[in-house]
Amino acid sequence: DVKVTQSSRYLVKRTGEKVFLECVQDMDHENMFWYRQDPGLGLRLIYFSYDVKMKEKGDIPEGYSVSREKKERFSLILESASTNQTSMYLCASGSRGAAGNTIYFGEGSWLTVV
Amino acid sequence: AQSVTQPDIHITVSEGASLELRCNYSYGATPYLFWYVQSPGQGLQLLLKYFSGDTLVQGIKGFEAEFKRSQSSFNLRKPSVHWSDAAEYFCAVGYSGGYQKVTFGTGTKLQVIP
Repeated sequence: DVKVTQSSRYLVKRTGEKVFLECVQDMDHENMFWYRQDPGLGLRLIYFSYDVKMKEKGDIPEGYSVSREKKERFSLILESASTNQTSMYLCASGSRGAAGNTIYFGEGSWLTVV
Repeated sequence: AQSVTQPDIHITVSEGASLELRCNYSYGATPYLFWYVQSPGQGLQLLLKYFSGDTLVQGIKGFEAEFKRSQSSFNLRKPSVHWSDAAEYFCAVGYSGGYQKVTFGTGTKLQVIP
């Protein structure tokens, strides 16, 4: 079975803190994604990566950055957390090729910024 | 740009009743279409997907969906709902030529009453 693991399920951080959300996949997938999920807004793509050290902005990249130093690991970074970044963050991975290939999700990381 | 509309934010059905969740998409070419399910506090699990061939697609947990090009719809159905089906359901569309960039609907929350 595909496994996408998000290391932190629940985090509480203070405004202005630097926050790292880590994600690891075990299926040798080329593509990895970070989504943000908010009630009534569905899932919105923050960043994605199609190869090591490569990244592309999604629909809402402002206030976020990412890092992909190894194929299996994709990190989301909040340089200076703000209260409007309180949300559920979902990491996902998928194999390169047709867009019809399945994207697999992790369990999610609940971030509260106080 | 592609978009997905799930017109029903919340649906309540009785256990044993049939279910249909609506999804309409906007995309110029043949889309790749997905339905995902999310249990409370969890990540998203793929129920089924369509990208070619038979327009009636079977998925896991007894779900099916029908692609209707003329109506730009991909509605999810189940003939008899179980209490364990209570969850949030997301329709999504992907497109060819991209790096698996998938757009999600805002979700439909299903409540099942005994």
